[in-house]
Amino acid sequence: AQKVTQAQTEISVVEKEDVTLDCVYETRDTTYYLFWYKQPPSGELVFLIRRNSFDEQNEISGRYSWNFQKSTSSFNFTITASQVVDSAVYFCALSEVFTGNTPLVFGKGTRLSVIA
Amino acid sequence: DSGVTQTPKHLITATGQRVTLRCSPRSGDLSVYWYQQSLDQGLQFLIQYYNGEERAKGNILERFSAQQFPDLHSELNLSSLELGDSALYFCASSSTRVGPGLANNEQFFGPGTRLTVL
Repeated sequence: AQKVTQAQTEISVVEKEDVTLDCVYETRDTTYYLFWYKQPPSGELVFLIRRNSFDEQNEISGRYSWNFQKSTSSFNFTITASQVVDSAVYFCALSEVFTGNTPLVFGKGTRLSVIA
Repeated sequence: DSGVTQTPKHLITATGQRVTLRCSPRSGDLSVYWYQQSLDQGLQFLIQYYNGEERAKGNILERFSAQQFPDLHSELNLSSLELGDSALYFCASSSTRVGPGLANNEQFFGPGTRLTVL
């Protein structure tokens, strides 16, 4: 069975600090996709990134970066120079590939508070 | 704006009642997913439809049902409501076909319907 663990329930940082959100996953599939979503206080879920299990290259998008390590089943998310607007709940999610477009299995989320 | 619309935004009803939540996917997306977000259970997948057919089922109660219509919009029906059904219900859509080995495209989520059962 698939499982996503986000061990950090809540993190609080001061603006401009770097912060890393951890995500550990379990799956028996050899091919899968990993995702990160952001849920700001307004409540919507905003897609941030998708990564397939064959691509272990780290990705950077502005202040956001993702570190995918298959050996440790982790897909961590780092925000550099955090800003107040980054305050949100962040979800890591997993889906299997072999049937295509299968549902997401979400972690419990990490609530990030960035204090000015 | 994700392009996925959900109505209503808020719904307040009483125990034992029945409600219908509506979702319109992004233009061209054939897959529609329903998720429930509650404080104790987190974000849980309920059910998926692809081009009008049920594709996958998650932790959906027997009191809940869904369908996808020919115009691809979907409805989630919740009946005999209980206090514990109070939650945020999200609809999501994704593009591409389903089938073995095909890429899992990202799902785009609607703004959600907040259901309060009193």
